[in-house]
Amino acid sequence: GAGVSQSPSNKVTEKGKDVELRCDPISGHTALYWYRQSLGQGLEFLIYFQGNSAPDKSGLPSDRFSAERTGGSVSTLTIQRTQQEDSAVYLCASSLRDDNNSPLHFGNGTRLTVT
Amino acid sequence: GQNIDQPTEMTATEGAIVQINCTYQTSGFNGLFWYQQHAGEAPTFLSYNVLDGLEEKGRFSSFLSRSKGYSYLLLKELQMKDSASYLCAVRDWLVGQNFVFGPGTRLSVLP
Repeated sequence: GAGVSQSPSNKVTEKGKDVELRCDPISGHTALYWYRQSLGQGLEFLIYFQGNSAPDKSGLPSDRFSAERTGGSVSTLTIQRTQQEDSAVYLCASSLRDDNNSPLHFGNGTRLTVT
Repeated sequence: GQNIDQPTEMTATEGAIVQINCTYQTSGFNGLFWYQQHAGEAPTFLSYNVLDGLEEKGRFSSFLSRSKGYSYLLLKELQMKDSASYLCAVRDWLVGQNFVFGPGTRLSVLP
């Protein structure tokens, strides 16, 4: 079946512009995560949605970052007034349930370059 | 708090066996996952351990000792395509977002 889909795959933007990154999780997956990965680095948690619960926003690095998940499915990560340090690969992942052994399924990511 | 450590880089020879270690400190351990990530690609799920012992899946095995906060991923009969980063991730029920990832180990398989 279809996996996690992210768009765009690449985004180049000028410093100060706003960007929106989209994630379409696997159908039926209730949990959705956003991570950020800089070149050669590990995964940095950003935000987590689980069903209708309030999202866990504890990983968002600043108030320029926000995310929403409409109808418990598609999610959009918005970065306002982008800075060069925002350049990274933004990965979205979903899982079937929020229980122990449900692994994360990752999308191919959006590579963001801020010039 | 949570802390996960892995070696940064490892090198091994095609056909050999390699063991990638992961140590962790968490407050509410609820399972450990291993992921493989090829350069420029998304991480893919390899294995899951929640009880002590060894889980085997073909050429890959993963071991967990909860009392020691220790896991390893064992790769047998290494192939060139196994060159990738290997990420250890712990599920912690006391951490709202659940998954805490280690920094990853970059494995290079040489001919």
